Amino acid sequence: DAKTTQPTSMDCAEGRAANLPCNHSTISGNEYVYWYRQIHSQGPQYIIHGLKNNETNEMASLIITEDRKSSTLILPHATLRDTAVYYCIVRVSLGGNTPLVFGKGTRLSVIA
Amino acid sequence: DAGVIQSPRHEVTEMGQEVTLRCKPISGHDYLFWYRQTMMRGLELLIYFNNNVPIDDSGMPEDRFSAKMPNASFSTLKIQPSEPRDSAVYFCASTPWGGLDGELFFGEGSRLTVL
Repeated sequence: DAKTTQPTSMDCAEGRAANLPCNHSTISGNEYVYWYRQIHSQGPQYIIHGLKNNETNEMASLIITEDRKSSTLILPHATLRDTAVYYCIVRVSLGGNTPLVFGKGTRLSVIA
Repeated sequence: DAGVIQSPRHEVTEMGQEVTLRCKPISGHDYLFWYRQTMMRGLELLIYFNNNVPIDDSGMPEDRFSAKMPNASFSTLKIQPSEPRDSAVYFCASTPWGGLDGELFFGEGSRLTVL
């Protein structure tokens, strides 16, 4: 699986959009971009994933550049409960399951 | 849904003792994963199962670690003998076959402290 690069930490004001970047310049054509987050002392939680189109769900939006070498996770209106470590993972998904390999992630602090 | 259930939530033991961590995956999920998390190394995959069969155990740190899945609803991770460097949070996760969306469902974790 391709490697990802994320900033170590970010701050965001409560109520503002949080934009979390991820670089994955060696991504292959059959690799998906996944985002998970881990709130303190809890297990990681799935947020969203995409291949090449932008995706949106009730939690967040995922913007993938046209060349697929980077992506941005957007939390449109961050709340204090969004304070967590956010992991960007690229992974081949063939209809089966290849394990998720977690990096260091970005520690997002939402500030009141 | 009950979600992935892990026990115990907290375990404190002394070096040399045997530790057994337990996991009940979500019913109907064919894949089960064991991860370990420490401050230094982050989240590491230890082993995963498909239909109760171990598929990849290359992440298991050494022979002191062993994992079993005797049936579809139960798995154990055993450490014998335990050492202080095994102190970590151990997570179990499950996912169904054909999970193209790649969503892993994690338990709350078992925090192990080896004195």
